[in-house]
Amino acid sequence: DGGITQSPKYLFRKEGQNVTLSCEQNLNHDAMYWYRQDPGQGLRLIYYSQIVNDFQKGDIAEGYSVSREKKESFPLTVTSAQKNPTAFYLCASSIGGTGNTEAFFGQGTRLTVV
Amino acid sequence: AQSVTQPDIHITVSEGASLELRCNYSYGATPYLFWYVQSPGQGLQLLLKYFSGDTLVQGIKGFEAEFKRSQSSFNLRKPSVHWSDAAEYFCAVSNTGGFKTIFGAGTRLFVKA
Repeated sequence: DGGITQSPKYLFRKEGQNVTLSCEQNLNHDAMYWYRQDPGQGLRLIYYSQIVNDFQKGDIAEGYSVSREKKESFPLTVTSAQKNPTAFYLCASSIGGTGNTEAFFGQGTRLTVV
Repeated sequence: AQSVTQPDIHITVSEGASLELRCNYSYGATPYLFWYVQSPGQGLQLLLKYFSGDTLVQGIKGFEAEFKRSQSSFNLRKPSVHWSDAAEYFCAVSNTGGFKTIFGAGTRLFVKA
C-alpha cells in the first residue's frame, strides 16, 4: 500500500543532542513537508521541499535542518539549537503544492527531551 | 495575513446528535479549504476539500461542509454523530499553487453516550 512512513514513533533525546526523524513515502509525490504540532496551536510548518535537492524554510525553521537527496525521503534533524524540541512531528507529502492538492500525512513521531 | 480561526477548542455532543464545527478564514483571494481529522497519536486524514464550484461539499464518513464567501466561513457538519467520530478536527486554507497550508488550532470533539 502507498503511504508515508515515519520512524520512530517515539523518540527521547538528551539535552544537547541532535536527533534525526525519518520520513519515507512511496506515493511518488514531488512535495514533502515537516510540521510541528503542539497542543492548542495546530500545525506549524518547519520545512518543505518541492523537488529533490531543493528545500525551503517554513515558519519555524530555526533549530532544524533537512535534506532531500531522494524523492522518497525527507529526514528532519532536530539540532541542539532548538530550545524547546518536545513536540509531535508530522511529515506529509503532496503531488505538487498543497494549494490545490491534499496532503497525505504520516503517523507522526513524538519527541521528548529528557 | 492569512489565518484560520476555529473558535471552539472543544465540543461535546451526544451520540446521534447533529454536529457543526466552525471555521473562519482570512485570505485575500479565493482560498482552497480543507478539513482534516486526527485521532489521538495519529496523523491527519483528509475529510473533504473545497476548491471551486458547488459551495456544499461532501466528504468521507458522512461529513459535509459549506463555503460561505460572505462570512469567510467553511463550517463542517454531520447530521448524526457516532462515538467513533471523537477526534480532533482541523480546518486549513491554502492558495493557488502555494506550498504553505495554514492550519487552525483544532477543535477536539467529545462524544457522550
